[in-house]
Amino acid sequence: NAGVTQTPKFRVLKTGQSMTLLCAQDMNHEYMYWYRQDPGMGLRLIHYSVGEGTTAKGEVPDGYNVSRLKKQNFLLGLESAAPSQTSVYFCASSYQRGNFNEQFFGPGTRLTVL
Amino acid sequence: AQTVTQSQPEMSVQEAETVTLSCTYDTSENNYYLFWYKQPPSRQMILVIRQEAYKQQNATENRFSVNFQKAAKSFSLKISDSQLGDTAMYFCAFMTVTQGGSEKLVFGKGMKLTVNP
Repeated sequence: NAGVTQTPKFRVLKTGQSMTLLCAQDMNHEYMYWYRQDPGMGLRLIHYSVGEGTTAKGEVPDGYNVSRLKKQNFLLGLESAAPSQTSVYFCASSYQRGNFNEQFFGPGTRLTVL
Repeated sequence: AQTVTQSQPEMSVQEAETVTLSCTYDTSENNYYLFWYKQPPSRQMILVIRQEAYKQQNATENRFSVNFQKAAKSFSLKISDSQLGDTAMYFCAFMTVTQGGSEKLVFGKGMKLTVNP
């Protein structure tokens, strides 16, 4: 099992450019999440999905869109990148087995917006 | 809203010594989970230990143990026999259930632990 993988690992964008971050998991998890981590901060939830075809907003959703067309993939899109979106982005996934399921994290994507 | 506070931004300890990382949280919920995650320089988030709020017994995982004080809303992590590989950022996190039915983690700001030889 590869677990949770993220593509790309690094990316530099110019202000106003768009891009999509891909998260893939091979554990057949129902739940998937996107977080961002800024210096001196813990991870903050951007968007999440409880299943294929469903998405919902987290704590800091502005400027991002997501899609979950397949159960194993969760895409995070930036339509018009801004310097404030410079961050490390983490994807996570978990089972749906009662409450409080462990989230498994990907290795992160470092995004710089100039 | 739930908040997690890690008041110590940085600590250092000598190899083989014991160190305690502090964490406090704020919630009005009665049932929740608490976690400690480790983030080494590789950036990978690694679960260290978890605690169920309704369990009074403190969780332990080998050299790692917690001191869970529910009334005080305190959740500290003790690392015994510190090893060089324990050098990392440590995040305390609180898990709650979202309106959509999934779970979300609320993280503290983290604490940088350095283990010196």
